[in-house]
Amino acid sequence: EVQLLESGGGLMQPGGSLRLSCATSGYSFSSYAMSWVRQAPGKGLEWVSALDSRGATTHYADSVRGRFTISRDISRSTLYLQMTSLRAEDTATYYCTRDEETDSGLVVTRHDYWGQGVLVTVSS
Amino acid sequence: EIVMTQSPATLSVSLGERATLSCRASQNVDSLLAWYQQKPGQSPRLLIHDASTRATGIPARFSGSGSGTEFTLTISGLQSEDFAVYYCQQYRHWTPTFGQGTRVEIK
Repeated sequence: EVQLLESGGGLMQPGGSLRLSCATSGYSFSSYAMSWVRQAPGKGLEWVSALDSRGATTHYADSVRGRFTISRDISRSTLYLQMTSLRAEDTATYYCTRDEETDSGLVVTRHDYWGQGVLVTVSS
Repeated sequence: EIVMTQSPATLSVSLGERATLSCRASQNVDSLLAWYQQKPGQSPRLLIHDASTRATGIPARFSGSGSGTEFTLTISGLQSEDFAVYYCQQYRHWTPTFGQGTRVEIK
């Protein structure tokens, strides 16, 4: 059974930093791309960042580029999101998702499995 | 950025009836479109990918159609567990983008 379990959320002050983790199991972590998708309270879904299966190619939404860094540890089957210079508008539930990848290694952001989400609140 | 527009915002449907949800893309996304279902307090779940392919374990009453810029999700014979918010998402272009969602409620 594919499982994704996020952790690391909490209450942060504006300008602060936080690292989210997503521990995975039930499939070959090194064979799939991954993404982070967020949802502000009572709002819709917003894709944040994606990473290919090798951890070589990253993609970011304009709203987080330069502040967030996505990475993965294949030995731990874990995805990370390092968040810096946090803003109030980053307040959201953050989901990690499993994505597809083409034979040539291009990320396909078709999110077939989702974690339960972790809440990040940025407030003074 | 591709803008995804869903209609209607809210759809009131009786149990057993058919629900038709629409999604329009501001540019051609070919068939690289997915539909997700989200129930209150839960994570989204993939229903349809590549515009018309049901994801693993999704009942046959869910069907998707369309290509290019116009897409439809049809739920035939609504059951109580189908009342939720539905999102479309294009993954043809970077940045992947979601629609604002359609809430399906009990009439």
